[in-house]
Amino acid sequence: KNQVEQSPQSLIILEGKNCTLQCNYTVSPFSNLRWYKQDTGRGPVSLTIMTFSENTKSNGRYTATLDADTKQSSLHITASQLSDSASYICVVSVFSGGYNKLIFGAGTRLAVHP
Amino acid sequence: DTAVSQTPKYLVTQMGNDKSIKCEQNLGHDTMYWYKQDSKKFLKIMFSYNNKELIINETVPNRFSPKSPDKAHLNLHINSLELGDSAVYFCASSQERDSRGTDTQYFGPGTRLTVL
Repeated sequence: KNQVEQSPQSLIILEGKNCTLQCNYTVSPFSNLRWYKQDTGRGPVSLTIMTFSENTKSNGRYTATLDADTKQSSLHITASQLSDSASYICVVSVFSGGYNKLIFGAGTRLAVHP
Repeated sequence: DTAVSQTPKYLVTQMGNDKSIKCEQNLGHDTMYWYKQDSKKFLKIMFSYNNKELIINETVPNRFSPKSPDKAHLNLHINSLELGDSAVYFCASSQERDSRGTDTQYFGPGTRLTVL
């Protein structure tokens, strides 16, 4: 069964600190892995997309890593800001029937406190 | 300039009613999607249309019927609403250029449906 699991479920950090969010997946056939940020009451916004051959990708203070052998990914946030408070969702794309379908994790809810 | 817009943002209705949610994208994309986000916050694909043609239809009850009048619009009609239909529904769009499927999906703001 295609699954995406994230940890921790929630996290509180102080402004300016770094943090790392984890994602494990059991998805086949793997197409690509994405990280999304979802603010409360808003739709998800894409942060990074990585294919099988990529093991790291950055977007400003966000850096995602991918280990396709162990089927793990992480999202590292550097020098956190209050605006980073949101849910971060790991999403794995499955290529099936000629099309890509996204499998979503439940997300990690991050709260950045002053 | 809203890229993907949905109306209404909130929808409260009684069980058994029929309702529609509208979605429009002005990005020129040829693929549109409907997702359901349940109370546990999981987002699940419901439907996907490419150039007005249905390409993904997950095991969604046939009370849900998507309609795509043109490639910029994908509306969701729900018949005989049930309590379990309460959720946030997101529309999204993308421009699929190759089989790697790495194109970004742009999401709308969501429609919170509450069935009483």
